[in-house]
Amino acid sequence: DAMVIQNPRYQVTQFGKPVTLSCSQTLNHNVMYWYQQKSSQAPKLLFHYYDKDFNNEADTPDNFQSRRPNTSFCFLDIRSPGLGDAAMYLCATRGLGMNTEAFFGQGTRLTVV
Amino acid sequence: AQKVTQAQTEISVVEKEDVTLDCVYETRDTTYYLFWYKQPPSGELVFLIRRNSFDEQNEISGRYSWNFQKSTSSFNFTITASQVVDSAVYFCALSEAQQAGTALIFGKGTTLSVSS
Repeated sequence: DAMVIQNPRYQVTQFGKPVTLSCSQTLNHNVMYWYQQKSSQAPKLLFHYYDKDFNNEADTPDNFQSRRPNTSFCFLDIRSPGLGDAAMYLCATRGLGMNTEAFFGQGTRLTVV
Repeated sequence: AQKVTQAQTEISVVEKEDVTLDCVYETRDTTYYLFWYKQPPSGELVFLIRRNSFDEQNEISGRYSWNFQKSTSSFNFTITASQVVDSAVYFCALSEAQQAGTALIFGKGTTLSVSS
């Protein structure tokens, strides 16, 4: 059974039109991450939550926002998508112990037209 | 600063060949964790192994084995008798133990193509 679920799997949005990607987890993990992965590149961390504490990476554009209304759900909002934001967006969760792996969802592939 | 280097961008082998994927890391911490993930074409990152900095024992799991050497800051991954289903992108990742929630930092990945 999938433990980290991302919806939708594929999302097409228009240039400049706000879009929201969602992630849910059944693991009850305290930490949730959003990564951006462009073609043939490593996943790049955008931000993460430790419970409700939000941690933004220094080079994450202001165009990207996130919400975590409860432990199970986390959302990625792209306020005005540009062509350069087309990518795979990966959500991951992790337990508190450092000696734990991160569990990833299947990702949402975003296309901007 | 932490960094993970996977120097091999792409590797192509024929089925049943052994293949080693290299990973070199940099960190100032004495406590850290290393991971390998597999990303098949479907896109999901699949966890393969984790190792903490105090455990230098090599590990074997079926056709997979990992060699961790702190002296050279390397955590290499070997697939024995490769199969077509092993074709994927493989990522090495590092996590420092600074605080809860510290994210995994990934290398650029190695694309492995196994042909029949």
